[in-house]
Amino acid sequence: QLQLQESGPGLVKATETLSLTCTVSGGSISSNVYYWDWIRQPPGKGLEWIGGIFSSVSTYYNPSLKSRVTISADTSKSQVSLKVTSVTATDTAIYYCARRGPPTALDFWGQGTVVTVSS
Amino acid sequence: QSALTQPASVSGSPGQSITITCTGTSSDVGGYNYVSWYQQHPGKAPKLMIYEVNNRPSGVSNRFSGSKSANTASLTISGLQAEDEADYYCSSFTSTYTLVFGGGTKLTVL
Repeated sequence: QLQLQESGPGLVKATETLSLTCTVSGGSISSNVYYWDWIRQPPGKGLEWIGGIFSSVSTYYNPSLKSRVTISADTSKSQVSLKVTSVTATDTAIYYCARRGPPTALDFWGQGTVVTVSS
Repeated sequence: QSALTQPASVSGSPGQSITITCTGTSSDVGGYNYVSWYQQHPGKAPKLMIYEVNNRPSGVSNRFSGSKSANTASLTISGLQAEDEADYYCSSFTSTYTLVFGGGTKLTVL
C-alpha cells in the first residue's frame, strides 16, 4: 500500500528557508505516470497548491509562489523535497505531500506536517 | 491564478440531497474536464471523492456525483448522512499546467 510521510522542522524563523521532505513507500517516485505534489493549508483556511514534480525532473509551480519555491526528488531515498525561501508568517500552514494521477487527481495524501513561522 | 469560487457553506437534513458549486473561468474549469473534488474532515488530510468531473475512485459511495456546465462544476451528495459533514474543495487543471483549488465549502448535516 502506498504511503507518504512528511517530515521537517515544525518551527522556522521568519526570513529563513523552510525545508520539508516527503518519504514515499510502496511506490516509485521516478514513475512516468504520477506527479508528486505539495499542498498547504493555513490555519482555518483552504487548500493551496504549491507545486509538483514529474518523473523526478520536470517541475511545476504555483505562479504566486514560484520565485520562492523549489521541489526536487531523490530517487535513491524515495523522497520528494520542498524548499520555500524568505518565509513570513503567511507561510504558516499544514504542509501535505500527495500523489497526483494525471493530470489532476490527488489520490494519495500524507498526514501533513505543521510548520509555524516565528518572528 | 485566482482561487475557484465555492459557497462558504451549505446545509441539508439527513436523506436529502445537496449540491456544491465551483465556478472558475475558461482557463480552468471551463477549458478542461479535469475537475476534482475532495472531502476533508477536521484534523484529517483531504480525500479524493471525484476526479475528471464525474468519476469516483474505488471505494467512494455512489451517493457522490459530479457534473460540469461551462465554467461551473458541481458536486451533488444524495441521501445525506451525518458522516458527510465535512469541508469540500474543488480543484481544476489550468491552462498554465498548474492546479487551482476552490476556497472550500463547509457542509453541515442538520
